[in-house]
Amino acid sequence: GENVEQHPSTLSVQEGDSAVIKCTYSDSASNYFPWYKQELGKGPQLIIDIRSNVGEKKDQRIAVTLNKTAKHFSLHITETQPEDSAVYFCAATESFGNEKLTFGTGTRLTIIP
Amino acid sequence: DAGVIQSPRHEVTEMGQEVTLRCKPISGHDYLFWYRQTMMRGLELLIYFNNNVPIDDSGMPEDRFSAKMPNASFSTLKIQPSEPRDSAVYFCASTRGTSGYTFGSGTRLTVV
Repeated sequence: GENVEQHPSTLSVQEGDSAVIKCTYSDSASNYFPWYKQELGKGPQLIIDIRSNVGEKKDQRIAVTLNKTAKHFSLHITETQPEDSAVYFCAATESFGNEKLTFGTGTRLTIIP
Repeated sequence: DAGVIQSPRHEVTEMGQEVTLRCKPISGHDYLFWYRQTMMRGLELLIYFNNNVPIDDSGMPEDRFSAKMPNASFSTLKIQPSEPRDSAVYFCASTRGTSGYTFGSGTRLTVV
C-alpha cells in the first residue's frame, strides 16, 4: 500500500517569513495529493490539493508543488501569519480523491509573532 | 450546510463497556470514512463506505470494532468491549465526486 512520509514534524517560523513542508510517497500510481490543516480541537480541513497532471498550484499565500519523478510534493506558505499556526497533514491516493487517503504524520507549525 | 456532524464530542467510558459513535455526512456525499487519530499512529483509516456499502474495512483493528451505514445520512462505529488502548479521537469524513474530504469535529474517546 501507499506510504507517505512528512518532514519536519515541527516547524517554527517568524511571522512574515515563509514555511515549507515536504512529503514523499511510495506508490507511483498515486495521482491526487491534498493538504489539510488541523486546528486545536477541530477536524482536518482541506486547504489545497494538486493532481498528477499539474506541477504547481497556488491559492493566495499557499502553494503546492509536485515532482512525480522524485515522488515528492511540498506545501509553501508565504507571508506567514499567527492564524497559520496549526498541524498540517499531506496525503496521497491513486484514486480521484474519493478513496483511501493515506496521510503523513503531520507537521506542527508555530508562527512566532 | 451544517457539515459533517459527529456525536458525542466527548465520551468517557469504563473498560469493557460498549461505545457507539455517530456520524451524519453531508447530504449528497456518497463516500463516508471513519478515521482514528492518536499521537503514536497519526490518522488511520478504519473503514469506508460507498453508497452505504462497506468497501474496505482492512483498517479495523479487530473484531471488537464494527461499523454500519443503514442509510445515506447516518453511520455508526461501535466498539464492544472497549479497552484503554482504544482511547483516541475518532473522525468521520465524507466526500462526493472529485472533491476533497470534509471532516467532522471528531469524538474524543477515553476508556478508563
